[in-house]
This record gives sequence, C-alpha cells and structure tokens, in this order.
Amino acid sequence: HSALTQPASVSGSFGQSISISCSGTSRDIGTYDLVSWYQQHPGKAPKLIISHVTKRPSGVSDRFSGSKSGNTASMTISGLQAEDEADYYCCSYAGSTTVIFGGGTKVTVL
Amino acid sequence: QITLRESGPSLVEPTQTLTLTCNFSGLSLTTNGVGVGWIRQPPGGALEWLGIIFWDGDKRYSPSLKTRLTITKDTSKNQVVLTMTNVLPVDTATYYCAHRDYSSDWAFDYWGQGTLVTVSS
Repeated sequence: HSALTQPASVSGSFGQSISISCSGTSRDIGTYDLVSWYQQHPGKAPKLIISHVTKRPSGVSDRFSGSKSGNTASMTISGLQAEDEADYYCCSYAGSTTVIFGGGTKVTVL
Repeated sequence: QITLRESGPSLVEPTQTLTLTCNFSGLSLTTNGVGVGWIRQPPGGALEWLGIIFWDGDKRYSPSLKTRLTITKDTSKNQVVLTMTNVLPVDTATYYCAHRDYSSDWAFDYWGQGTLVTVSS
C-alpha cells in the first residue's frame, strides 16, 4: 500500500470553511469505513479528531466533520479559527491488519 | 486517564539495533480489545505506521519494515517495547506509541509525546 494522497497545503480566511481531501484506493478507503484524521501542532503529538470516517471523539469541536465517497475521504473545518492552523493527517485501515497514513496537509489561516 | 511515554536512546549508530520502550498508565494490555501501536515521523515528514501489539499478544507489522521490527509487551511493568534492527540514517525520526481499543478501532486515541531518535555515526 502506498501512502494516502493529501494536498500539501490548504489555506482559508478566519471564519471560512475549508476541506482537505484524502485519496486512497479500493483496497483501503474504498473498502473500509475506518478513516481517521489527526491534527498536529508544531512540536506536539498528533491528536485524534475524527474516527470511523465521521465520528468526533469527546471534546473535539463540532467544527470538524468527516465524510467519504468512493476511494476518497474528506475532512471539513468550518468557521476556521487561528488555533486550527496545524498539520492534518488522514489514516485508513488497509486490510491485513495494516494501517496507512496520508502525507499530511498544512492548514494556514489567513 | 490514559497516558503513554516513550523512552530510549536519542542517538544510535548505523547498523545497530534500536530499542524503545513505551510506558503507559490508565490502560491495561490484558483488557480485551486494547492495543498499543508504534508510529514514527521523520523530521519535517509524514506519519508512518510501524506496527501494533494487542491484548492477546497478537502482533502486526508494516509490510515494508516487518523483517526489522519486533514488538513485545510486559503487562506486569505496563510496558511495550519496540526493537528495530540494522538502523539507517533514514530511520531518524520521532517515534510515538499510541493506544487503541474496540471503541477507537483502527484509530489511535491517545498518544505519547514522542521520542526523537537520530541515526548517525
């Protein structure tokens, strides 16, 4: 399995909505509803913000939402805030008890 | 409250074996469904899944690294150990351990702070 494909960067103005795509294949995203998303601020450990494509863990803002269509998953951040500026990684179960991550997307708040 | 903390050498010479320990609290690796995984991140790079050990002792590894990796657990010490043989400079990365259970499934809901390992002579 190759890494999932994400745009290197996405930017948006304060208060706007942005979406980050995560492209996989029929062997991972296309088959399993086990896509997760992580937020990582500089120098910090990743933080789970979406699991099972659409589920938000307790304490995660409802401004974060996830979806999936075919082999592509997406995460949307609505009402962009300054603290949303971070790197975001998608992740998918890829069968045979393996996991693959995306290359990461840097979100910039303008 | 679940916490995990990685520890190990910060500098390893090429061809040597790297051993990292993940000490955890607030979880039990004897509880059905619990697993502790390892993920690494090279400087300025992306996350890469390395492997996982489950409550029942089952282990899974990244296909690209499986010949070099071993993950073991010591439930009496609340520890998971990652061993990587024949390290190279490309293995320079921050190594994280992370928790999963039946509710998070194949997502990692708690992470350690990470430990930076540099492979260099």
